[in-house]
Amino acid sequence: GEDVEQSLFLSVREGDSSVINCTYTDSSSTYLYWYKQEPGAGLQLLTYIFSNMDMKQDQRLTVLLNKKDKHLSLRIADTQTGDSAIYFCAESSNDYKLSFGAGTTVTVRA
Amino acid sequence: DSGVTQTPKHLITATGQRVTLRCSPRSGDLSVYWYQQSLDQGLQFLIQYYNGEERAKGNILERFSAQQFPDLHSELNLSSLELGDSALYFCASSVVPYEQYFGPGTRLTVT
Repeated sequence: GEDVEQSLFLSVREGDSSVINCTYTDSSSTYLYWYKQEPGAGLQLLTYIFSNMDMKQDQRLTVLLNKKDKHLSLRIADTQTGDSAIYFCAESSNDYKLSFGAGTTVTVRA
Repeated sequence: DSGVTQTPKHLITATGQRVTLRCSPRSGDLSVYWYQQSLDQGLQFLIQYYNGEERAKGNILERFSAQQFPDLHSELNLSSLELGDSALYFCASSVVPYEQYFGPGTRLTVT
C-alpha cells in the first residue's frame, strides 16, 4: 500500500467539534475510509467516501475529501466521551486492499 | 458487534511453534481478509480470499498461510513463530469490497 499519514493525538473538550486530518499519496485511491478502534476492540467502519465525491455527511460525522491535495478529514460534531478512541484513516485502490495510517488517538475531556 | 467472529481471543505460545487462527465471516459474506496490527508496523493487509480462492496478497511472510473453506470460514496458519510475530491479527469480511467489517481480533503473544 501507499503511505497514509495522520497526526497521532487530538484532545477535544466534550461538546466541541473534533477534526481529524489525514493525507495519502496514492493518486489511484478509489475509496477513503475512517475506522474507529476502542480499547480491546476491533475496528469499526465509521464511514467511507468514493474518490469522485468531495463531501459526505452521516449524522454527526462529516468527511471532506480534497483529491487535488490528497487530504481527507473527519469532523465529529458535538463530541462525546464515547468518541474517545483511535481513529484510522485508510485508502484502497481497485484491489480493495486497505492501507492504514498510524491512527489518531482522540481524547475527550470534560 | 460486526458479526465477524474470531477464535481464540488470546494465544500465548513459544518461538518456533505453529498456531492456527480462525475466522467466521458475517452471514452471506464471501470475502475474508486478514490484517496484522503490531506496534512497529501498524495495521497491514496480509491476504484476501473470495469464495475459497486467494484473491490478493499483501506483506504476508512465507511462514504464514491461509485458506478459506467451503463453509466460508477462514484459517490463518502461522509457523516457525518468532518474537516479532506477536501482534493482533484481525479478520474482516465483506459482501462488497469497500465495506469491510472487522472481527474483534486474536492477540498472539510469542515468548
